[in-house]
Amino acid sequence: EVQLVESGGGLIQSGGSLRLSCEASGFTVSTHYMSWVRQAPGKGLEWVSVIYTDGSTYFADSVKGRFTISRDNSKNTVYLQMNSLRAEDTAVYFCAREGSGTFFTWGQGTLVTVSS
Amino acid sequence: DIVMTQTPLSSPVTLGQPASISCRSSQSLVHSDGNTYLSWLHQRPGQPPRLLIYMISNRFSGVPDRFSGSGAGTDFTLKISRVEAEDVGVYYCMQATHFPQMYSFGQGTKLEIK
Repeated sequence: EVQLVESGGGLIQSGGSLRLSCEASGFTVSTHYMSWVRQAPGKGLEWVSVIYTDGSTYFADSVKGRFTISRDNSKNTVYLQMNSLRAEDTAVYFCAREGSGTFFTWGQGTLVTVSS
Repeated sequence: DIVMTQTPLSSPVTLGQPASISCRSSQSLVHSDGNTYLSWLHQRPGQPPRLLIYMISNRFSGVPDRFSGSGAGTDFTLKISRVEAEDVGVYYCMQATHFPQMYSFGQGTKLEIK
């Protein structure tokens, strides 16, 4: 069964750092584009970052320079390192597997709360 | 940046009746490879989004055939032929044509039962 499980969320003070993990099962993360998408409380979906199969990475303007994305093929896991966190980064962060220009598989999400 | 605009933002529908959601992009979503990467997702309260339709009109595995997608260029539509109780939630359109700079979503349309 294809599955994504996020972890690492929690309550963090403004300016702090947090690393989210997304462990995949049922497929290999290195052979798929993998993204992070977030959803602020009561709001819509916002794409955050993607890591491509060739290792190239891209970010939304709102997090560029503060967030990095990486993967560990041996653990079949994708990470989102979040630095210099702000109150507006408060959201549920979803990990998603892309194919054919869309997100076929989503994790359950992990909540990040940034207190000011 | 590509802006995705959905209408309506809220849609009260009677069970068994049809529903339609529109999505308009600020630029054409036709990719240089000839494909159009416009998809539709559904999110129930407290749940992650799930894929319904990809590349305008392709139903994802397990999606009932009462869901259909259509459109071209900048204008797209999701139709539900007969709304069922499990269809409540928020529907999002999403584009991935203009990546990798940004994948973008519509604001969401809340479908509720009258």
